[in-house]
Amino acid sequence: DIQLTQSPSFLSASVGDRVTITCRASQGISSYLAWYQQKPGKAPKLLIYAASTLQSGVPSRFSGSGSGTEFTLTISSLQPEDFATYYCQQLNSYPQTFGQGTKVEIK
Amino acid sequence: EVQLVESGGGLVKPGGSLRLSCAASGFTFSSYSMNWVRQAPGKGLEWVSSISSSSSYIYYADSVKGRFTISRDNAKNSLYLQMNSLRAEDTAVYYCAVKRSVAGMVMYDPWGQGTLVTVSS
Repeated sequence: DIQLTQSPSFLSASVGDRVTITCRASQGISSYLAWYQQKPGKAPKLLIYAASTLQSGVPSRFSGSGSGTEFTLTISSLQPEDFATYYCQQLNSYPQTFGQGTKVEIK
Repeated sequence: EVQLVESGGGLVKPGGSLRLSCAASGFTFSSYSMNWVRQAPGKGLEWVSSISSSSSYIYYADSVKGRFTISRDNAKNSLYLQMNSLRAEDTAVYYCAVKRSVAGMVMYDPWGQGTLVTVSS
């Protein structure tokens, strides 16, 4: 099974900050990686697929990069509505595992 | 509008059974693979099971293999998860999600609102 390790697990930041979250895969997954945002009590929402393709309707301050085993999600200027938990997911093979999540909180 | 509505969650005793349903609308259900993902209280997302559009390919997480059965009825635009021999650690919100493909790249989108399963005596 492919393991995904996100870092950090918790992040405290201020509005306007640039934020970067890393997702490392235990083996190569090409670009079969998606990022999701989840707010309390809500279903996950797709942000990015294919490692770097922004889902329609998602603000351009979100970006993704990487391939193989190392990936990043960047929020260029954190907005109040971005405080949430972020998950990566590999879709290269089954089981289609998720990272453990990164909680972004207000400093 | 694409919509996924889960139902069937509730309180069940350890060793009991429950059947979850996911009603789909607003898209051609029979053309897409479907998935169940769960989230234990205060925990992260855990992939549970996937089924291809024609039910030809089915996959399970090791944690549920032999206890859970995924199925679908394309005529009814519905996805199911039959859960048997339930354990306390199966307590979670269960989400259904569509697996879409764009230029060969895949993603889970959209997701339903989830249904809570609580396994407790």
